[in-house]
Amino acid sequence: QSALTQPASVSGSPGQSITISCTGTSSDVGSYNLVSWYQQHPGKAPKLMIYEVSKRPSGVSNRFSGSKSGNTASLTISGLQAEDEADYYCCSYAGSNTLIFGGGTKLTVL
Amino acid sequence: EVQLVESGGGLVQPGRSLRLSCAASGFTFDDYALYWVRQAPGKGLEWVSGISWNSGSIGYADSVKGRFTVSRDNAKNSLYLQMNSLRAEDTALYYCAKGFNTYYFDYWGQGTLVTVSS
Repeated sequence: QSALTQPASVSGSPGQSITISCTGTSSDVGSYNLVSWYQQHPGKAPKLMIYEVSKRPSGVSNRFSGSKSGNTASLTISGLQAEDEADYYCCSYAGSNTLIFGGGTKLTVL
Repeated sequence: EVQLVESGGGLVQPGRSLRLSCAASGFTFDDYALYWVRQAPGKGLEWVSGISWNSGSIGYADSVKGRFTVSRDNAKNSLYLQMNSLRAEDTALYYCAKGFNTYYFDYWGQGTLVTVSS
């Protein structure tokens, strides 16, 4: 069970779009459409932003979208806003009732 | 309003045990899977364990398998994590999370801090 691989940091200017990748293996991301993304602001509990690769929970802005190709899932944030600055984590089902997170990506809004 | 309140954290010596609890309210407790997720200071999220609504399906991260035991009491709307043989690397903020569509976490508690140190 090695953590999914995410870039340590990404940045973008307000209004721009950014994409965060999440690379796993054929045993987790590649085998299941059970990828989710979480946003965490400093000192706060994480918030579910995307589930089942590309679905948004009620109340999450449509500026957030998800996709997957092979062993890599991606989170795209369009129309970047200052409030989007946070840490983002991907998570995938890995079989046998186990889940695995990515190492996390710090998003900086310039 | 969904609420998850963790308790039981604290300072414990390596090799000792600790039991965490999570008191839930605001939803039909026995309809949902529940999870423990931890976050070491300044580090990322790590999934620890999960338990289905009827305790029929249980999973553990390799890092805690054989040392930690998850359980739930649907009559008391409570989730538990029995942690034995604690190690320094178990030091973290432990979150309780409610399952959504089984494999996702839609509500989280504020966490309880476990510090393993001599």
